[in-house]
Amino acid sequence: RKEVEQDPGPFNVPEGATVAFNCTYSNSASQSFFWYRQDCRKEPKLLMSVYSSGNEDGRFTAQLNRASQYISLLIRDSKLSDSATYLCVVNAPGTGGFKTIFGAGTRLFVKA
Amino acid sequence: GAVVSQHPSRVICKSGTSVKIECRSLDFQATTMFWYRQFPKQSLMLMATSNEGSKATYEQGVEKDKFLINHASLTLSTLTVTSAHPEDSSFYICSARASTGFGEAFFGQGTRLTVV
Repeated sequence: RKEVEQDPGPFNVPEGATVAFNCTYSNSASQSFFWYRQDCRKEPKLLMSVYSSGNEDGRFTAQLNRASQYISLLIRDSKLSDSATYLCVVNAPGTGGFKTIFGAGTRLFVKA
Repeated sequence: GAVVSQHPSRVICKSGTSVKIECRSLDFQATTMFWYRQFPKQSLMLMATSNEGSKATYEQGVEKDKFLINHASLTLSTLTVTSAHPEDSSFYICSARASTGFGEAFFGQGTRLTVV
């Protein structure tokens, strides 16, 4: 089983739509959780951290369910500029400390 | 946000030569740095975790003698691809995690390596 698994995608949605991405992680001792965004041929950029109580940043809402080892990202009122790959990221225990593990990413296409 | 600088951004080398990639955290101390590789249309794959002052921890299937990692200070880690071959051509990205804060990682710009 992969350490971090995401919806395979791609998601094709019209502008203004609401889209949700899901992610599960295998190690219950994982500590920190994030969503990153990666544009084509660029490095990943931090979108938002995910807190246990859930958190919102404008049109983006992240949720964490530790019992189910599940993380979600909701994007409301999608914009064309939201088109990118969204990466679920977990800091999981490894040899010599915590390591940052990426999911395979979910590709989002927002169309006019 | 925190800044991580990776150099060079692009390199073309001949088969059999070695290439060194540098990763620097510019405005914070990074006790842990990570090296990833990404092939076209594939996900980021963790190659190794580098802790300052100690040996790197390599992921399964990554040859430690081929991908030499040195993390000599809290702001610099290097990855050397030794005796490069065409199949090593890829996008290599480093990230640095601050010793304080929530633990988010910040990325360098990446290095596109082409071995001919």
